[in-house]
Amino acid sequence: SQKIEQNSEALNIQEGKTATLTCNYTNYSPAYLQWYRQDPGRGPVFLLLIRENEKEKRKERLKVTFDTTLKQSLFHITASQPADSATYLCALDNYGQNFVFGPGTRLSVLP
Amino acid sequence: DVKVTQSSRYLVKRTGEKVFLECVQDMDHENMFWYRQDPGLGLRLIYFSYDVKMKEKGDIPEGYSVSREKKERFSLILESASTNQTSMYLCASSLAGELYEQYFGPGTRLTVT
Repeated sequence: SQKIEQNSEALNIQEGKTATLTCNYTNYSPAYLQWYRQDPGRGPVFLLLIRENEKEKRKERLKVTFDTTLKQSLFHITASQPADSATYLCALDNYGQNFVFGPGTRLSVLP
Repeated sequence: DVKVTQSSRYLVKRTGEKVFLECVQDMDHENMFWYRQDPGLGLRLIYFSYDVKMKEKGDIPEGYSVSREKKERFSLILESASTNQTSMYLCASSLAGELYEQYFGPGTRLTVT
């Protein structure tokens, strides 16, 4: 059956360290994968999109990788700050029709 | 600045009531989506629409219907609300063609008692 998993429900790291979040999927063949940030009581906000033929994408302190062989995307936040604390969702396209979201990882950056 | 608005932030309804959730976007987006979000289950797609009067079922359409009479407005209807439809409902929109990023509204927290 189709499944999207994100490494853990919650992740705690120290300020200044690099946070690495994982998104694994099975029985999908996405052409695109996106990452969103969601703060409590708010809708998700788009961060980055990566295509299947792109290995890596960067935006300021954010970096996303996409390995279609491993069926995995990694999302990195370098020099993390308490303001980065939020839930991060990965989403992958479902045969070009719509996006399917992972369950999310709640990141807490401790000062 | 792009904007997706939802008619209510919080809503309390009784079992059996008919419930309307409205979503409006001002970005001239072709695609609109309705999701529900529950702890441990993540975002699940209920319905989506590619164009006016067009609708497609998502993963969990049972108990819901939708209406899109105008491009900017997408309504979610709970014909007869039940307690298991208590949830956070999120609307989103995006451009057509290549799957662009989705812009989400603030959500409606619906409680059915």
